[in-house]
Amino acid sequence: QVQLVESGGGLVKPGGSLRLSCAGSGFSLSDYYMTWIRQAPGKGLEWISYISTSSSTIYYADSVKGRFTISRDNAKNSLYLQMNSLRADDTAVYYCAREVLFGMVSFDSWGQGTLVTVSS
Amino acid sequence: QSVLTQPPSLSAAPGQKVTISCSGSSSNFRHGYVSWYQQLPGTAPKLLIYENDKRPSGIPDRFSGSKSGTSATLAITGLQTGDEADYYCGTWDYSLSAGVVFGGGTKLTVL
Repeated sequence: QVQLVESGGGLVKPGGSLRLSCAGSGFSLSDYYMTWIRQAPGKGLEWISYISTSSSTIYYADSVKGRFTISRDNAKNSLYLQMNSLRADDTAVYYCAREVLFGMVSFDSWGQGTLVTVSS
Repeated sequence: QSVLTQPPSLSAAPGQKVTISCSGSSSNFRHGYVSWYQQLPGTAPKLLIYENDKRPSGIPDRFSGSKSGTSATLAITGLQTGDEADYYCGTWDYSLSAGVVFGGGTKLTVL
């Protein structure tokens, strides 16, 4: 069955870096646009970044632009999020999700999330 | 402050109907489709409605969506205790800071 599994979360100090991974199974990642969405404790959903099937088009939220980098390796059926210069307000559960058509915001499969805690 | 505006909370009794509103602007709703997500406690969000009014397979027809102008509505009929969750609307924003935008979420309590 279709599954997305995030990994790489953990505790990191302010100013530190972390790389999240999202492994897809049961489908070909290359057929889907992919996104990262986060949710701070007790808060709502916040979109972070979006990447096209071939990586030719990438979008970032203003809150992470210049600090986070999204990438994908279709051969490995995987999505990544490199997070640098982390701040306390980056603390959240990070989800990866997929959609088949660009810009529809119809994310039909989500991972279980990975928790990132930024604290000294 | 979310780009899309939803009521923070709603409550209704089992069996009743509830509607959740989502208000946007010309930079998003006028051009884009709206989706709705349900997030049960401790779980990842789940797609309920896409392209304004379509349901993915497996979503019961008690859930319906509509869009008019710069607002959208999620309706849930025959409320069940299992519908108690947070609900989010989302769409693509075509402003200078293009990207996905979500509403702040509505916590639905089924009394």
